[in-house]
Amino acid sequence: DIQMTQSPSVLSASVGDRVTLNCKASQNINKYLNWYQQKLGEAPKLLIYNTNNLQTGIPSRFSGSGSGTDYTLTISSLQPEDVATYFCFQHNSWPTFGAGTKLELK
Amino acid sequence: EVQLVESGGGLVKPGSSLKLSCVASGFTFSSYGMHWIRQAPKKGLEWIALIYYDSSNKYYADSVKGRFTISRDNSKNTLYLEMNSLRSEDTAMYYCAKSSFAYWGQGTLVTVSS
Repeated sequence: DIQMTQSPSVLSASVGDRVTLNCKASQNINKYLNWYQQKLGEAPKLLIYNTNNLQTGIPSRFSGSGSGTDYTLTISSLQPEDVATYFCFQHNSWPTFGAGTKLELK
Repeated sequence: EVQLVESGGGLVKPGSSLKLSCVASGFTFSSYGMHWIRQAPKKGLEWIALIYYDSSNKYYADSVKGRFTISRDNSKNTLYLEMNSLRSEDTAMYYCAKSSFAYWGQGTLVTVSS
């Protein structure tokens, strides 16, 4: 199975900050990488699919990049409603998720 | 609008069985593969099963292989997960998701405890 490692596990940032979340795969996943946002008590919500495609209805402050084994989710200007846990997910082979990055307000 | 609504969760004892359902609407259910994914309390997400649109192929995570069975009834727009020989480590929120993982239900909670 492909292992997905997210860093950091917890991130504290201020409103308006540019925030970068990282995800590293144990092998090349050919850009088959999604990012999900999960707020407390809710189901995961798709933000970005296949590395850099913004899901319909998601604010443009969210963006994704990467290739090979290394991928990044960027929030250009953090908003209070962005407090959540963010998961990366690969579907290049048997699907696997990262353990998540918990994003908090400083 | 795509909607997925899970049901059937509950509190059961170790070794018992449970069958989850996921009713789909807002898309042509019979044209898409479907997944079950679970999330143990305060833990990460784990994909556990996939069924093709026509039930021709089914795949399982090793953690549930031989104990869980995924199925579907396209005439009822419904996906199922039959869970046997349940263990405490199966305690989780269970989500169904449409083929591309873009759409998820709200989940149904399964608790396995004596």
